[in-house]
This record gives sequence, C-alpha cells and structure tokens, in this order.
Amino acid sequence: EAQVTQNPRYLITVTGKKLTVTCSQNMNHEYMSWYRQDPGLGLRQIYYSMNVEVTDKGDVPEGYKVSRKEKRNFPLILESPSPNQTSLYFCASSLSIQGAHNEQFFGPGTRLTVL
Amino acid sequence: LAKTTQPISMDSYEGQEVNITCSHNNIATNDYITWYQQFPSQGPRFIIQGYKTKVTNEVASLFIPADRKSSTLSLPRVSLSDTAVYYCLVNYGGYQKVTFGTGTKLQVIP
Repeated sequence: EAQVTQNPRYLITVTGKKLTVTCSQNMNHEYMSWYRQDPGLGLRQIYYSMNVEVTDKGDVPEGYKVSRKEKRNFPLILESPSPNQTSLYFCASSLSIQGAHNEQFFGPGTRLTVL
Repeated sequence: LAKTTQPISMDSYEGQEVNITCSHNNIATNDYITWYQQFPSQGPRFIIQGYKTKVTNEVASLFIPADRKSSTLSLPRVSLSDTAVYYCLVNYGGYQKVTFGTGTKLQVIP
C-alpha cells in the first residue's frame, strides 16, 4: 500500500531534550516536506527536500533540522525543543512539486507537546 | 509571494451541491491547481487537480475558466462526512516552497 508513515504519532517531552520524528514513504517520490499546523495559523511548511541530499527552508525553519540521506526517509530533528514547538506535524511526499504530478501524500501526523 | 484566496467558511445542507471558489490571479503558464480536503487531526488528502476547463473524478469536479485566474471546486450532494477544510493550492511559477492558504471550512448541516 502506498503510504507515508510517521513515528511517533504522539510525543510528550521536556524543553531541551533532543528528539527526532521519522518520516518514510514507499512511493519513490522525489519531493518530501514537513509542515506544522497550529490553530488559526493553518499549515506552514518547515523544510522541504527536492531529492537526496537536497534540502531547503520553508516558511518556519527556525529550531528544526532535516536530512535526506535516502530517498524514502526525511527525518525532522528538534535539537533543543521549546514549548512554542508544541504542534501537530505532518510529513508529505510527492513525485514532483511542479506540473501535473505535484499532488502531495500526507502522513497521519505527529502530535508533539513540549513542556 | 502570490497566494490563493478562498472564503474562510461555508455552510451547506445535506444533499446540496457546494461550490468553493479560489482566486489565484498570478497563476503562471505551467501552474496546476490542486485541491485538498482535511479532517480534524488528519493530514490533507488530495481531491482533484486541473490545468484548464473542467476536470471530474468520483468525488468532485473542478471548473477552471479560460483566464485561469480562479477555479471552483464542486462537491455534488454533500453529506455530513464532507464537513472538512478544503484547500486550494497553486505552486506559482513552479516555486519549490509550498504555501497553503487558510482554506475553506465547510460545515454540512443535517
């Protein structure tokens, strides 16, 4: 089954404790992306990757890191989480981001709480 | 950065046809228009995509006029389960960064 998986689905942590949220897709997609969603602010892109070893900042990259060492995986790293990073996070992938094949497939979401 | 504009919210009775219009004045020649549906606490789900004229699939239709500066998502005979937020997305000029608008919150009333 074609899908995007994220782990963990729920996480409660404390300020400053490094964490990683994993994202994996099995569709051989080139484009992958991380979003956060907060009430009243909608979906905001954190980072995106056009392909292996190619990543770039989205609209809200501060406090986050990503890597794309393999095509299928795109982990999101919070080196020193803070309470303002409490949010619902979505990973997404698509064949491309341009033209007719830009529909994105989203993961189930990770609800993160930073105390 | 150019972005899309759509109504913040809409209400509709069950069984009605719902039309949600999105404005994208700065759409470029190669840009496609993509619509997503999102339920609370779930990731957005692709509904339909189009370039011009009319596109129809099993869940919706998408109408795009000749100037392509707007598009209308049409949901036939909505049910309570269609209550969701609907996003119109255009990647202007093939821009790699993605910017979702506020979306339209559709409430279907029994």
